[in-house]
Amino acid sequence: GAVVSQHPSWVICKSGTSVKIECRSLDFQATTMFWYRQFPKQSLMLMATSNEGSKATYEQGVEKDKFLINHASLTLSTLTVTSAHPEDSSFYICSATMEGQGAFFGQGTRLTVV
Amino acid sequence: SQKIEQNSEALNIQEGKTATLTCNYTNYSPAYLQWYRQDPGRGPVFLLLIRENEKEKRKERLKVTFDTTLKQSLFHITASQPADSATYLCAPRSGGYNKLIFGAGTRLAVHP
Repeated sequence: GAVVSQHPSWVICKSGTSVKIECRSLDFQATTMFWYRQFPKQSLMLMATSNEGSKATYEQGVEKDKFLINHASLTLSTLTVTSAHPEDSSFYICSATMEGQGAFFGQGTRLTVV
Repeated sequence: SQKIEQNSEALNIQEGKTATLTCNYTNYSPAYLQWYRQDPGRGPVFLLLIRENEKEKRKERLKVTFDTTLKQSLFHITASQPADSATYLCAPRSGGYNKLIFGAGTRLAVHP
């Protein structure tokens, strides 16, 4: 099946710094990618829809200036958590879809802000 | 607003039995519905997709039904094994590249 690679798999950063997470579709072109956040024992919460070559569409309550999304090519989307704080610590997951098929997820990134 | 409901309580069953998980949705007219498996600390893995004009879909020990009148999908695992223990998520979806939203998931525990 299709492969989506997410990097890094885990990161620890200091409060106030920024962290960039990459999501790549390795063997297919993804016009659309999705970014999710998941807190322990909770469901996946959609943060934003990333569209290649255009601005991302953010879900209600998600700060677009804090969670910067760039989808510069058909195989790469990035999520940058700016000025991270401890409450941003979470599991971030990206996915890419192929029309009529299921979504393919990255491995996820465990972010810990200290 | 669109709503997806899955049993929030864990489902505990004995090995060899059939597990049945439920997904109900409201304010949706999905063109298809997807089921995923998620293990702790991992991203979800796609299992099955069923279209609105399909009543039932099978893949090995998995079976999915889709009732657009009841706005419900059932996910069955026959001859369940401890390795099937995981959280199972459903995601009804409209056609095109609309956003992909998941239910909260149901945790399945299969005991030897």
